[in-house]
Amino acid sequence: DTEVTQTPKHLVMGMTNKKSLKCEQHMGHRAMYWYKQKAKKPPELMFVYSYEKLSINESVPSRFSPECPNSSLLNLHLHALQPEDSALYLCASSQPLPREETQYFGPGTRLLVL
Amino acid sequence: AQKVTQAQTEISVVEKEDVTLDCVYETRDTTYYLFWYKQPPSGELVFLIRRNSFDEQNEISGRYSWNFQKSTSSFNFTITASQVVDSAVYFCALISQSYAGNNRKLIWGLGTSLAVNP
Repeated sequence: DTEVTQTPKHLVMGMTNKKSLKCEQHMGHRAMYWYKQKAKKPPELMFVYSYEKLSINESVPSRFSPECPNSSLLNLHLHALQPEDSALYLCASSQPLPREETQYFGPGTRLLVL
Repeated sequence: AQKVTQAQTEISVVEKEDVTLDCVYETRDTTYYLFWYKQPPSGELVFLIRRNSFDEQNEISGRYSWNFQKSTSSFNFTITASQVVDSAVYFCALISQSYAGNNRKLIWGLGTSLAVNP
């Protein structure tokens, strides 16, 4: 059983909609990640939060807005997305340095933008 | 520069065959970590193994085994007596030494898609 959960599993949205992806981890980790993955490609890092502060932003367009309300929760707010944003969005968590950094992933949200 | 190469894009085997997935990495760091992840069709990335650069001992976990050789910069993964449930995309990854705050980034290979046929 995964200890990183993500909701919803599937999401279909129009380009004018606002939606949010949610991630929760129950492993006591203090780093959380958002990845975007297109079919037949490896995951692409989007954001990293460490101790609830944004640590890495990989030049992601502002239509993606991350939020880390507490050490267990991570949200990704979506607004005015484009069809090319359709992908699998994965959340992961780990311990930040200098502790072990193995990232554990959730099941992902499959997003379709129409 | 840091890089992970998985030369095998797709592999197809018949159940009960042994199969080896290759991973070659490049890094100038003396301390680094290597990972294997499995991604079944459901999409979840499942962590399989983490190995640090100072530990060249091979690892076996059930039907899975890993061969880490620093001399050839390889970290290969073998599945013995493959099963249909092993069908998935397998990613090899290297932890980057580029720091940003308290985090480093994973450098991913392109993945190997394994199909195990009955």
